[in-house]
Amino acid sequence: GDSVTQMEGPVTLSEEAFLTINCTYTATGYPSLFWYVQYPGEGLQLLLKATKADDKGSNKGFEATYRKETTSFHLEKGSVQVSDSAVYFCALHQAGTALIFGKGTTLSVSS
Amino acid sequence: DVKVTQSSRYLVKRTGEKVFLECVQDMDHENMFWYRQDPGLGLRLIYFSYDVKMKEKGDIPEGYSVSREKKERFSLILESASTNQTSMYLCASSPRPGSTDTQYFGPGTRLTVL
Repeated sequence: GDSVTQMEGPVTLSEEAFLTINCTYTATGYPSLFWYVQYPGEGLQLLLKATKADDKGSNKGFEATYRKETTSFHLEKGSVQVSDSAVYFCALHQAGTALIFGKGTTLSVSS
Repeated sequence: DVKVTQSSRYLVKRTGEKVFLECVQDMDHENMFWYRQDPGLGLRLIYFSYDVKMKEKGDIPEGYSVSREKKERFSLILESASTNQTSMYLCASSPRPGSTDTQYFGPGTRLTVL
C-alpha cells in the first residue's frame, strides 16, 4: 500500500542554519503531497502542499518540490529561526482515500 | 477563518469508563476524521465520516466507535477505556469527499487512562 518515509529526528540546529528534512513516498497513482507542522501544544496545520509533479510548494520561507522521478518531497528552509521549532509531518493523499502521514520529525532550533 | 474545536485539551479517565471526545467544525465541511498520535508512530486514522450518519473504519478502529448526527459534529467514543488508549487524539475536517483537499486540525485532546 501507499506509504511515507521521513527522516528520523530529532534534528537540532542553530539559528540561521540551513534545514533539510527528507521525505520519500510510495504510491500508486498520482497523489498530492503535503507538509504539516505541529507547534508545541497545538494541533497540526498545513505548511505547504503540491498537487502534481514538479510543483513547488512554499510558505513562511519553507519550500518543497514534488519530484516524481525520485518519489521525494524534501522540506527545505534557508535560515531557520527558534520559532520554527516544531514537529514536521510529510503526508500523501490520493483522491478517495485518507491522508497517509510519515512518523514526524522533531526540529529543535537554538539561538 | 477555519475552525475545528475539540471539547477538552486534557482528560483523565479510569480503566473501564466510557469516554466521549467531541469535535466541532464551523466550515460546513463534508469530511471529518479522528486520528491518534503516538510518539514514534505518527498519526494513525481511527475513523472518518464523509456525510451525516456515515462512517468508515480507518487503520485502527478496534476499541473505538464514532457518531455523526449533525454535519458539524463528530464524536469519538471509547466504550470501555483501557490504558493502551492513552494518547493524543486529533480531529480534522476537509471540504469534499473524494478530493485531496487540505485537512484542518483541531488542537487535540490528550487523554490519560489510569
